[in-house]
Formats: sequence, structure tokens, C-alpha cells
Amino acid sequence: DGGITQSPKYLFRKEGQNVTLSCEQNLNHDAMYWYRQDPGQGLRLIYYSQIVNDFQKGDIAEGYSVSREKKESFPLTVTSAQKNPTAFYLCASSIRRTGDTDTQYFGPGTRLTVL
Amino acid sequence: GQQLNQSPQSMFIQEGEDVSMNCTSSSIFNTWLWYKQDPGEGPVLLIALYKAGELTSNGRLTAQFGITRKDSFLNISASIPSDVGIYFCAGQPYAGNNRKLIWGLGTSLAVNP
Repeated sequence: DGGITQSPKYLFRKEGQNVTLSCEQNLNHDAMYWYRQDPGQGLRLIYYSQIVNDFQKGDIAEGYSVSREKKESFPLTVTSAQKNPTAFYLCASSIRRTGDTDTQYFGPGTRLTVL
Repeated sequence: GQQLNQSPQSMFIQEGEDVSMNCTSSSIFNTWLWYKQDPGEGPVLLIALYKAGELTSNGRLTAQFGITRKDSFLNISASIPSDVGIYFCAGQPYAGNNRKLIWGLGTSLAVNP
């Protein structure tokens, strides 16, 4: 059963702690993405990766870090430098080979609350 | 970052009514995507459009890629309560911006049974 999984669904952390959100896909997609969504807002791109061991900053990368050591996995770390980390985080993936259109498929999301 | 103009921002309709929403851009796109998001869940792809003028249906949903390549609309016919949610459009620019998706801010749909 192919798809994108994110864990956990809900995450609570104390202010000042780093936290890592998991994203795994078994769709054999090359590209993976992290978005942040705040209440009543659209999706804002944090980081994306088009190939293993390579990633680029999106529109709001400050206070976040990522790694792409495996094609299937793209974890996101929310660091203590992120000033307002409480949000709904969405992971997506797409085939995104050269010339392909970027049709993205999403995981179920992780809601992070920093206390 | 760049955003699409998506309208209306919200709609409240009676069950059985038809719904129409649209997205516009100042630049040319080569892909338009429509997603639906239920509360607390990730967006689900409804319809993907890859060619100017293309008209595609998915059940009661119909979407079109505008001829100018700068707009797209989504229609829902005979709405039902499970249509409730937020509908997002997304477009892929024809060039520039590393061709990353640009997103609308969403249309929130409420259906009165």
C-alpha cells in the first residue's frame, strides 16, 4: 500500500528543545517537500529535496534543518532558533524528474505544539 | 513568496447547490492542481491539469485550465455535506522560481444539510 507517512500525528515539546518530525514515502518519488500551515493560512514551503544528499531552502527555512540520506526519508528538525514553531507540518513528495510537472502528494501531517 | 489569487475566500451553501471557485496568476503556468483538505489532515489531490484549455472531471468535480494559462476554476455540482473542507489551488510556473509550486490561500466550503 503506497503512500506517505508522517509521525507522530501530535507532538508536544517544551520551548527551547529541538524536535525532529519524520516523513517516509514508498512511492519511489525523487522529490520531497516540507510545508508549514498556520490556522487559516495557505501552505508555506520550508525545505525541499529533489535528490538524495541534496536539498534547498524554501520560503521560510530559518530555524529549520533537514537531511536526505535516503530516497524514502526526509526528516525535518525544528530547532530552538525557530521563533514560532507551533504549527501543522505537512510533508509531500513528487516524481519530479527533469522536465516533469511537480504534482505533489501529501502525508497526513504532524501538529506540533511548543509549550 | 509568490501566491495565487484564490476566490472566494469562503462559501456557505445549501446541500444540492453547485459551487464554483477560481485561481488567477500574473504569470503563465504549465500545471494547475486542485486539492481538498479536511480538518487536521493533509491535502488530497482532486484534479491535475497539464494543458491550456483542458477540462477534466472527477465525479461531481470539474476543473479547467484557462486558455491564457493564468487561471483555473473548480466546479462542484450538487454539493453534499462531505464536500465540506478547504480547497486549495496550486500552479507550477512555466519558468523561473525553480518551477516550484505556487499556492493559493484556499477556499473554505461549508454545506448546510
